[in-house]
Amino acid sequence: DIQMTQSPSSLSASVGDRVTITCQASQDISNYLNWYQQKPGKAPKLLIYDASNLETGVPSRFSGSGSGTDYTFTISSLQPEDIATYYCQQYDNLPRTFGQGTKLEIK
Amino acid sequence: EVQLVESGGGLVEPGGSLRLSCAASGFTFSNAWMSWVRQAPGKGLEWVGRIKSKTDGGTTHYAAPVKGRFTISRDDSKDTLYLQMNSLKTEDTAVYYCTTQWGVVVVGASPDWYFDLWGRGTLVTVSS
Repeated sequence: DIQMTQSPSSLSASVGDRVTITCQASQDISNYLNWYQQKPGKAPKLLIYDASNLETGVPSRFSGSGSGTDYTFTISSLQPEDIATYYCQQYDNLPRTFGQGTKLEIK
Repeated sequence: EVQLVESGGGLVEPGGSLRLSCAASGFTFSNAWMSWVRQAPGKGLEWVGRIKSKTDGGTTHYAAPVKGRFTISRDDSKDTLYLQMNSLKTEDTAVYYCTTQWGVVVVGASPDWYFDLWGRGTLVTVSS
């Protein structure tokens, strides 16, 4: 199975800050990577697919990049409504696997 | 309205069985590859398994922790996905979501790459 290592596990930032989350795969996943946002008590929401493509309707302050085994998710200017847990997920192989999540809080 | 609605969760004793349902509406369910993802209380997301459309063979694939105990099936006449869970363990306690790829269209993509449609989930508690 492909292991996805996400960091940090939690993050506290101020409104307006640039926030970066990283995700490392245990092998090359060829950009087959999604990023999800999950708010408490809600289902996950797809934000980024194919490592860098913004899902329709998702604000442009969200972005993704990376290649090979190393990927980055960025919020360019943190907003209060961005408080959530974020997950990466690979779809290069079965089983699909998720990172352990990054809980984002407002400072 | 395009939606997935899970049902069937509840409290079950270790070793027991439970069947979850996921009712789909607003899209062509028979063409969809459907997946189950679960989330233990306070924990992260875990992929449980997937079923292809019947057109694509209807085959299933499972995560190792549930293989041999869980069975995914579908009834396209009812637009419904199922998860039969047997020999339940306390570590199966989780919110179970059904999910599929619906809106993202990428040429050459497999129908289960992008989980962009999710249900609200149903809670399964395995406890004595």
